[in-house]
Amino acid sequence: EPEVTQTPSHQVTQMGQEVILRCVPISNHLYFYWYRQILGQKVEFLVSFYNNEISEKSEIFDDQFSVERPDGSNFTLKIRSTKLEDSAMYFCASSPVLAGEQYFGPGTRLTVT
Amino acid sequence: LAKTTQPISMDSYEGQEVNITCSHNNIATNDYITWYQQFPSQGPRFIIQGYKTKVTNEVASLFIPADRKSSTLSLPRVSLSDTAVYYCLVGDIPNAGNMLTFGGGTRLMVKP
Repeated sequence: EPEVTQTPSHQVTQMGQEVILRCVPISNHLYFYWYRQILGQKVEFLVSFYNNEISEKSEIFDDQFSVERPDGSNFTLKIRSTKLEDSAMYFCASSPVLAGEQYFGPGTRLTVT
Repeated sequence: LAKTTQPISMDSYEGQEVNITCSHNNIATNDYITWYQQFPSQGPRFIIQGYKTKVTNEVASLFIPADRKSSTLSLPRVSLSDTAVYYCLVGDIPNAGNMLTFGGGTRLMVKP
């Protein structure tokens, strides 16, 4: 069964550093998303992406965040200058059609020290 | 997006049927009801989606009464591996930018 993959599984970085989280969505999917989950809290939507542009973003997704699909397979989330409060599990998801179910990856645990 | 209310936690035993009810009194005409499952340290996984009456797949059934103000996720004969958090999501998914809004979910603990 096709699945969304994410790398790395765990990233430790120092406050103020830039990080790039990588995702490979399912190959024939057209819609891509990033969510995050702070330990013990709810899963929160960050951004959705379609046709090489952002289609929706939340208040969390401020100027420190950016997304990119640099080639035909990868989908990345960049955090320019990490803060302690960015520590969370970051999930990538993809879906084949509008309103289709979203397939989530295993997540990247980001720890900012 | 309609607000949802579901129990914080539930306990069950292996082999039992589990029913998790979600209240969504302010559900709108265009809203769908979707359930996701999340195991510890994993991403959420789609279980089932419905608009009205009953939907069944190989994993679960979803019961939605005529007024659609609540819904019940039914898991037949649960096993230990069904221990997870179950989220009820309600929204006009086709027109909401596809974003999913997760609440606190119901933490289901299945005991031997």
